[in-house]
Amino acid sequence: GAVVSQHPSWVICKSGTSVKIECRSLDFQATTMFWYRQFPKQSLMLMATSNEGSKATYEQGVEKDKFLINHASLTLSTLTVTSAHPEDSSFYICSASSGAGNEQFFGPGTRLTVL
Amino acid sequence: DAKTTQPNSMESNEEEPVHLPCNHSTISGTDYIHWYRQLPSQGPEYVIHGLTSNVNNRMASLAIAEDRKSSTLILHRATLRDAAVYYCILNSGGYQKVTFGTGTKLQVIP
Repeated sequence: GAVVSQHPSWVICKSGTSVKIECRSLDFQATTMFWYRQFPKQSLMLMATSNEGSKATYEQGVEKDKFLINHASLTLSTLTVTSAHPEDSSFYICSASSGAGNEQFFGPGTRLTVL
Repeated sequence: DAKTTQPNSMESNEEEPVHLPCNHSTISGTDYIHWYRQLPSQGPEYVIHGLTSNVNNRMASLAIAEDRKSSTLILHRATLRDAAVYYCILNSGGYQKVTFGTGTKLQVIP
């Protein structure tokens, strides 16, 4: 199946700093990618839909100025957590669809810890 | 988004079959039924999907009710590596956003 990668796999940062997470579709082009956040023992919560060449669509309650999404190419979307705080510590997961089928392919996730 | 309902947890003995149920009474005609599973600290892994007919692949089988308001994921012989949270979600297209429910945590007993 199609492969989606994320980088970094984990990151620890100080409060107030910004962190960028990359999501890449390795063997297919993805005009649409999705960003999720998952807190311990909870399900995945959709944060935003990332569209290549246009602005992301954020879910209700997600601050677009805090979680900056850029989808500059058909294989790369980035999520930047700006001025991170301890409550932003979470597992961030992206997914993408090749469009050829119906399934979404998920990245391995990025563990963010804000001290 | 159409919602799905799954039991919070299930147990199975190793090498026994497992039937994981999912209710989706508000499913629309264009919704595909997808199953993913998630191991701890990993992203979800695609398992299987279907529309109306039952489906089989190397990982599992998917049995879809005739009225499509429910489905069952079947693992024919559970192994310890199958211990995970299994999510049943509805998706009307690869570019459409999906909503994850709470999923079913499957515990496999040796």
